[in-house]
Amino acid sequence: DIQMDQSPSTLSASVGDRVTITCRASQRISDWLAWYQQKPGKAPKLLIQKASRLESGVPSRFSGSGSGTDFTLTISSLQPEDAATYYCQQYNAYFTFGQGTKLEIK
Amino acid sequence: QVQLQESGPGLVKPSETLSLTCTVSGGSINNNYWSWMRQPPGRGLEWIGYIYPSGSTFYNVSLKSRVTISVDTAKSQFSLKLNYVTAADTAVYFCARGGGSYYPNDFWGQGTLVTVSS
Repeated sequence: DIQMDQSPSTLSASVGDRVTITCRASQRISDWLAWYQQKPGKAPKLLIQKASRLESGVPSRFSGSGSGTDFTLTISSLQPEDAATYYCQQYNAYFTFGQGTKLEIK
Repeated sequence: QVQLQESGPGLVKPSETLSLTCTVSGGSINNNYWSWMRQPPGRGLEWIGYIYPSGSTFYNVSLKSRVTISVDTAKSQFSLKLNYVTAADTAVYFCARGGGSYYPNDFWGQGTLVTVSS
């Protein structure tokens, strides 16, 4: 099974900050990686697929990069509505989610 | 716009079978993979399995011995059965579109809480 190691588990940042979340796969997954945003009591929302492809309607301050085993999600200028938990997901071989990163606004 | 809605009992007794159905609307159930995930209270997401309408199924190895996913294309529904449940199976269960090696989960149901308790 492919394991996904996501860090940090929690993150506190201020409005306007640049924020980065990382995800490392236990084996190479090419660019078969997605990022999701989940707010309390809601289903996850797909933000990015294929490591860097932004979904329609997702603000351009979100971006993804990486290939192989190491991936990042970046929010270029943090907004209050970005407070949420973020998950990475590999879909190269079945599905595996990272542990999640809870992003709080200072 | 594809919409998914989970339905089923919110309370299941230990050792019994959890059964949920996901109804798909706004798009065809054919030519897509369909997934089940779950999320224990306060914890992260866990993939359970997915199905292609041809009937091909793929399960998380940790749950494979207890899980069955099936599809009814005529009703635009797919279903989850989880046998011999324990308190550790208490979670919000989500259905979603996506699966296989190329398709992440782009549309999700709202989720339904299933509690395992006597």
